[in-house]
Amino acid sequence: AQKVTQAQTEISVVEKEDVTLDCVYETRDTTYYLFWYKQPPSGELVFLIRRNSFDEQNEISGRYSWNFQKSTSSFNFTITASQVVDSAVYFCALSGARMDSSYKLIFGSGTRLLVRP
Amino acid sequence: KAGVTQTPRYLIKTRGQQVTLSCSPISGHRSVSWYQQTPGQGLQFLFEYFSETQRNKGNFPGRFSGRQFSNSRSEMNVSTLELGDSALYLCASSPPTTGSILFFGPGTRLTVL
Repeated sequence: AQKVTQAQTEISVVEKEDVTLDCVYETRDTTYYLFWYKQPPSGELVFLIRRNSFDEQNEISGRYSWNFQKSTSSFNFTITASQVVDSAVYFCALSGARMDSSYKLIFGSGTRLLVRP
Repeated sequence: KAGVTQTPRYLIKTRGQQVTLSCSPISGHRSVSWYQQTPGQGLQFLFEYFSETQRNKGNFPGRFSGRQFSNSRSEMNVSTLELGDSALYLCASSPPTTGSILFFGPGTRLTVL
């Protein structure tokens, strides 16, 4: 069975602090995809990143960075110098690579991030 | 490119009624998926359609159904509404390759009274 765990329900930081959102996943597939989505108060899920299970390189995009560690089944997300606009709920998700599972995202329960001015 | 659009954005129904939600995918995307989001259960996969065929289905009762048209637009229907069906229903579209990114619409917030 596939499962995604985001143990942090809510995080509150002061603007300009760095913050890391944790994601741990379980899957028996050898090939899979990991995603992070952001859900602002408007409700729409905004895609942030996709990572293939064969690609363990960390990625940085502006203030955002992602640390994928297959050995610990983790795909953590760090926001550097957080801003008020980063306040949202962040979801980690997993999908298989087979056609019967590829479009079925398994989401974690989400982490609500509040960045205070 | 226009994003995924969903109509209506808000809906209020009473128990026992049925409802139809509509989703227009991004142009060129042939796969459409539906998800239900509730405070208690989180985001859960409902079903996925490709070329008018349902390819995947989540663990929901038969009251939840959907279809896809030849222009890739999709509808989902919930019959005999229950209070627990109150949720944000999100539609997503993606290109037809495995591991594709799902692009989500703004959702339809359904309230069942």
